[in-house]
Amino acid sequence: DTAVSQTPKYLVTQMGNDKSIKCEQNLGHDTMYWYKQDSKKFLKIMFSYNNKELIINETVPNRFSPKSPDKAHLNLHINSLELGDSAVYFCASSQVGLGYEQYFGPGTRLTVT
Amino acid sequence: RKEVEQDPGPFNVPEGATVAFNCTYSNSASQSFFWYRQDCRKEPKLLMSVYSSGNEDGRFTAQLNRASQYISLLIRDSKLSDSATYLCAVNDEEAGGFKTIFGAGTRLFVKA
Repeated sequence: DTAVSQTPKYLVTQMGNDKSIKCEQNLGHDTMYWYKQDSKKFLKIMFSYNNKELIINETVPNRFSPKSPDKAHLNLHINSLELGDSAVYFCASSQVGLGYEQYFGPGTRLTVT
Repeated sequence: RKEVEQDPGPFNVPEGATVAFNCTYSNSASQSFFWYRQDCRKEPKLLMSVYSSGNEDGRFTAQLNRASQYISLLIRDSKLSDSATYLCAVNDEEAGGFKTIFGAGTRLFVKA
């Protein structure tokens, strides 16, 4: 069983489109995250959610809207995609208070043309 | 100063070598520290947490120096399979533990 799963794995789309990435974890963790890893491989946090509540929003443009329908899911919707949004997006989860180690999904490689 | 800085790399070492990576962090209040490993086109995976007293897991040893605000990772007897990018990570305690800051990573190439 995959602990943290993301769909789709690859996403190729044109500028101006709207797209969503889904994430699910079956670890029973209470905290989930979205990270962006750009072409320089720098991994930067975008959002963190704890028990479905937004805790951290790292000055991400409001074209990015996360949604957490329950503790096990954290989806990311992106409006009006731009070339600079091309990156790998990783979902992760952790149990805050029990070590903070994070478990990452396989990533979604987004290419905006 | 970046919040988490790592050796720029890449490190090219022969099999069997010992290699050490350093990572410095800027927030003296940080309490939780980690090393992650990321293979090419894969997700980061936790390699080890770093504890105050230092800890060892097989060929890997992690050390924490709070006074100088750095953590280190030592890999002994390098294997070809150790080739990867190693990411240092530090928890931002002021964010209540809900934010982890990653370094830019250090690439390691182990050659036969």
